[in-house]
Amino acid sequence: DAKTTQPPSMDCAEGRAANLPCNHSTISGNEYVYWYRQIHSQGPQYIIHGLKNNETNEMASLIITEDRKSSTLILPHATLRDTAVYYCIVRDSGGSNYKLTFGKGTLLTVNP
Amino acid sequence: GAGVSQTPSNKVTEKGKYVELRCDPISGHTALYWYRQSLGQGPEFLIYFQGTGAADDSGLPNDRFFAVRPEGSVSTLKIQRTERGDSAVYLCASSLFPGQGPYNEQFFGPGTRLTVL
Repeated sequence: DAKTTQPPSMDCAEGRAANLPCNHSTISGNEYVYWYRQIHSQGPQYIIHGLKNNETNEMASLIITEDRKSSTLILPHATLRDTAVYYCIVRDSGGSNYKLTFGKGTLLTVNP
Repeated sequence: GAGVSQTPSNKVTEKGKYVELRCDPISGHTALYWYRQSLGQGPEFLIYFQGTGAADDSGLPNDRFFAVRPEGSVSTLKIQRTERGDSAVYLCASSLFPGQGPYNEQFFGPGTRLTVL
């Protein structure tokens, strides 16, 4: 079972920030939070990951709460091409940490 | 550079037939993964290769499914006696090394859509 909970869908206006929440209340101390997205008819695409600190790259920002039980992926200026299913994944810290366990994700629809 | 490629992009077959799905990983990536995605669901792990050997095949649903990677590069997922329930998108991914870590994300191909009639 996936270790994360995400809303099934969200809407965002083009040009506005999209804030996608994820709950991972059972995360352990050395497990990372990863975000992938999947545009229709494509394979998943890595976005960002983090452990404790907030992270930012050219695609997005990741805000992790101090207790690490939840996180938010922020797309600062959403475009129509950001419409996709966004997956929040807690990466196993043990010997099988090569394995990505996907839930159902959040379908983000960016509207013009 | 080229990403992960998968062929065919679509495969329609009849129940009971044998199919092979091919994955070409990114050159130099030692780790290769197969996932399966049913409609409306996230991808599910099937098998992981480190080099030529299958390091973890715990996700394969049954013994009708088999995968190989004989030279440590291209991989083939083989399904015998296909069933309608095998219909799904089969995704392949590769990474430079196994496991997690900076710059070691998994790169996915576009998938092969398998339809079993």
